[in-house]
Amino acid sequence: EVQLVETGGGLIQPGGSLRLSCAASGFTVNNKYMGWVRQAPGKGLDWVSIIYAGSGGATYYADSVKGRFTISRDSSKNTLSLQMNRLRVEDTAIYYCARADPYWGSLDDWGQGTLVTVSS
Amino acid sequence: EIVLTQSPGTLSLSPGERATLSCRASQIVNSDFLAWYQQKPGQAPRLLIYGASSRATDIPERFSGSGSGTDFTLAISRLEPEDFAVYYCQHYGNSPLYTFGQGTKLEIK
Repeated sequence: EVQLVETGGGLIQPGGSLRLSCAASGFTVNNKYMGWVRQAPGKGLDWVSIIYAGSGGATYYADSVKGRFTISRDSSKNTLSLQMNRLRVEDTAIYYCARADPYWGSLDDWGQGTLVTVSS
Repeated sequence: EIVLTQSPGTLSLSPGERATLSCRASQIVNSDFLAWYQQKPGQAPRLLIYGASSRATDIPERFSGSGSGTDFTLAISRLEPEDFAVYYCQHYGNSPLYTFGQGTKLEIK
């Protein structure tokens, strides 16, 4: 059974940094397309980033986070991470990790999400 | 940049009725890369439809997707109480790589 569990959320001041992790079970993270999607309180879904399969998997980011966020994988722990730097108030959201289909691009499996609150 | 516009914003129907949700793209898209999700309060989204018309694993047959070009539809043939939720369409493959519609809230009338 596929399972994704996000951790690392919390309250952080503007300009600070936070690292989110997504522990995967039931499959190998390194062999799959993996991404992050966020949802601000009461708002819709907002794509953040994706990493393609393989050791040199390409990475892509939404313009709103490019240069501030970094997506990565740890094969030894079978986890996906999102390093978030220079956080802004508008980054406040629930962050979901998801497994993506490599052809259809659909986000087939989702974690339960972790809340990041950026506030002074 | 592709923009997905969903309509209506809110749809009020009764259990047993048929629901029709629309997703319109700002330019022609490849229907292979059009998906639909359901999200209930306090839960993560769940994939319903991929490739515009293929049901995801364990999704009931009352859910169906259709469309091509710029106009896509999610239909729910006979609404069950558990179907009342927010629905999002999503496109993959352009800049930005992923685009979501703003969502349609399906509420009980």
